[in-house]
Amino acid sequence: KNEVEQSPQNLTAQEGEFITINCSYSVGISALHWLQQHPGGGIVSLFMLSSGKKKHGRLIATINIQEKHSSLHITAPHPRDSAVYICAVPIQGAQKLVFGQGTRLTINP
Amino acid sequence: EAQVTQNPRYLITVTGKKLTVTCSQNMNHEYMSWYRQDPGLGLRQIYYSMNVEVTDKGDVPEGYKVSRKEKRNFPLILESPSPNQTSLYFCASSPQPAGAYNEQYFGPGTRLTVT
Repeated sequence: KNEVEQSPQNLTAQEGEFITINCSYSVGISALHWLQQHPGGGIVSLFMLSSGKKKHGRLIATINIQEKHSSLHITAPHPRDSAVYICAVPIQGAQKLVFGQGTRLTINP
Repeated sequence: EAQVTQNPRYLITVTGKKLTVTCSQNMNHEYMSWYRQDPGLGLRQIYYSMNVEVTDKGDVPEGYKVSRKEKRNFPLILESPSPNQTSLYFCASSPQPAGAYNEQYFGPGTRLTVT
């Protein structure tokens, strides 16, 4: 079993349809990252959160530390939101991030 | 503009021919790391560096070397590349170690094919 698991692996939705990507982890953490990887390959950091909820435009990330679970929501997604979304968990003392497998999101017009 | 740069972006080479992938950051970050990304396996850490002249192995260091002679640069060296090193490589930097609560900055990626 992976230490960081994402679901679903693939998600196709229509433009404007609210979507949710989930991330569950089994390792202890101080924070969790959500990353976006576009078809060109580059990775950008979307959120870093250690509690509660963060919002940036149409993107909302939530985390429940007790349940070791985080969700990424996109309200009214556009086709340009099509990308791979990756959650990553910092491992304190091990100087590294452990990454989920990624969720490939496709938004159709 | 704060950024992490990598070169080359694409490379096709042959087995055994030594190569270096450069990584440079302009944010004065102490912590830098190399990852490889493979289908079905996600991103895995190859090596990391806590500061100049301080490097250590990640999860998949076999076949790779690194050096950190200057704070801004962290090259990845493949002394004798093999086809199983065909992958997408990312360099990343952050002000503090990846295990701490701080943002990670990724380079654009280097797609390497070893034939």
